[in-house]
Amino acid sequence: KQEVTQIPAALSVPEGENLVLNCSFTDSAIYNLQWFRQDPGKGLTSLLLIQSSQREQTSGRLNASLDKSSGRSTLYIAASQPGDSATYLCAVRPLDSGGSNYKLTFGKGTLLTVNP
Amino acid sequence: ETGVTQTPRHLVMGMTNKKSLKCEQHLGHNAMYWYKQSAKKPLELMFVYNFKEQTENNSVPSRFSPECPNSSHLFLHLHTLQPEDSALYLCASSQDGGPQYEQYFGPGTRLTVT
Repeated sequence: KQEVTQIPAALSVPEGENLVLNCSFTDSAIYNLQWFRQDPGKGLTSLLLIQSSQREQTSGRLNASLDKSSGRSTLYIAASQPGDSATYLCAVRPLDSGGSNYKLTFGKGTLLTVNP
Repeated sequence: ETGVTQTPRHLVMGMTNKKSLKCEQHLGHNAMYWYKQSAKKPLELMFVYNFKEQTENNSVPSRFSPECPNSSHLFLHLHTLQPEDSALYLCASSQDGGPQYEQYFGPGTRLTVT
């Protein structure tokens, strides 16, 4: 059974700092990995999706990397801003020919606070 | 705005009540999902509908009953819930059930069972 772990559970940084959020998964047979952002009491916003054949994806100040063989992904946020404060969730989709590879397995998330 | 709306946004109900959560997507998608997000636990997939057919019931208790009348609408009917069912219920949709398609999430319904 796939398990996704995110470390740290919470992170507080001053504005302007570069930071890294970590995600690890136990089963490397994944189709893709996705990073989401969730603001308090709100739904999820997709940030980056990395296919299993890719090593990284970039969007603005965000860069996500994937090392499938070691079961790890990182989300790098450059020059953090107070507006980046949110919970960041990592989710993996299985490489499953049995028809259930729409399933996303989520980590518990990292709560990020960027202080002005 | 992701194109997925959910109503109500907040709901308080007693254990003997019956209520329904509604989800609507304006994206022309064919797959819709219900997720449960409890405090300090990862999001859990509850139900999946693909082209209006239920393709997943992730061992959800029968006090939760989904309904998908068409590809744009998804309901979650609730009855005789327990306090531990209090959670954020999220709806999502995707082009279809294929893994290459991203899921787009609604804002959620915060449910409190008293």
